[in-house]
Amino acid sequence: QSVLTQSPSASGTPGQRVTISCSGNSFNIGRKTVTWYQQYPGTAPKLLIYSNNQRPSGVPDRFSGSKSGTSASLAISGLQSEDEADYYCAAWDDNLFGWVFGGGTKLTVL
Amino acid sequence: QVQLVQSGAEVKKPGASVKVSCKASGYTFSTYGLTWVRQAPGQGLEWMGWITPYNGKTDYAQKFQGRVTMTTDTSTSTVYMELRSLTSDDTAVYYCARDPPGLYQFDHWGQGTLVTVSS
Repeated sequence: QSVLTQSPSASGTPGQRVTISCSGNSFNIGRKTVTWYQQYPGTAPKLLIYSNNQRPSGVPDRFSGSKSGTSASLAISGLQSEDEADYYCAAWDDNLFGWVFGGGTKLTVL
Repeated sequence: QVQLVQSGAEVKKPGASVKVSCKASGYTFSTYGLTWVRQAPGQGLEWMGWITPYNGKTDYAQKFQGRVTMTTDTSTSTVYMELRSLTSDDTAVYYCARDPPGLYQFDHWGQGTLVTVSS
């Protein structure tokens, strides 16, 4: 069982806006910043969002992140077929003294 | 450009050890930490620990303490992750990732190394 909780799957049609949620507790998301990674099958994860809502250079502004209390969200607007991938949230946990990840959300573009 | 190149796939028997390497290039090796994350087949990501090449300081996930050792060779800009007493549950792809100090992110990743544990 992952420390951070994500829905296993999400879906949307091209052009739609999709939101992926990530739930934690007061030791991780509640006091630390959230990072999001995108992973295509058979490849390494890629940094998508850091510090809750910051995009590294090269990441389209269709991707945005937010945090409230012990939960975080990743929003993808103007959904494209290339967005079909697995998405993971992560945060440092002050109780476990380590990084914790969500179980991942598989996004399907219908 | 930043590159992390990992060693090739390994097949090990239960009880054996494996040592995976991660060679860094394209940046000042000593100024960034390196973290190890693994992913079992069809599963999510799991943080194993971290090492800073600057002074060799390590921080291991509680789950792996006593069974994992991370080391660094600054002369070749390479970090190593050794995992001992392997079981079938250790079958996974092992990734190294660059860990910029204080930024709470893994900004560049190696290509991954598949370790298969099978009798």
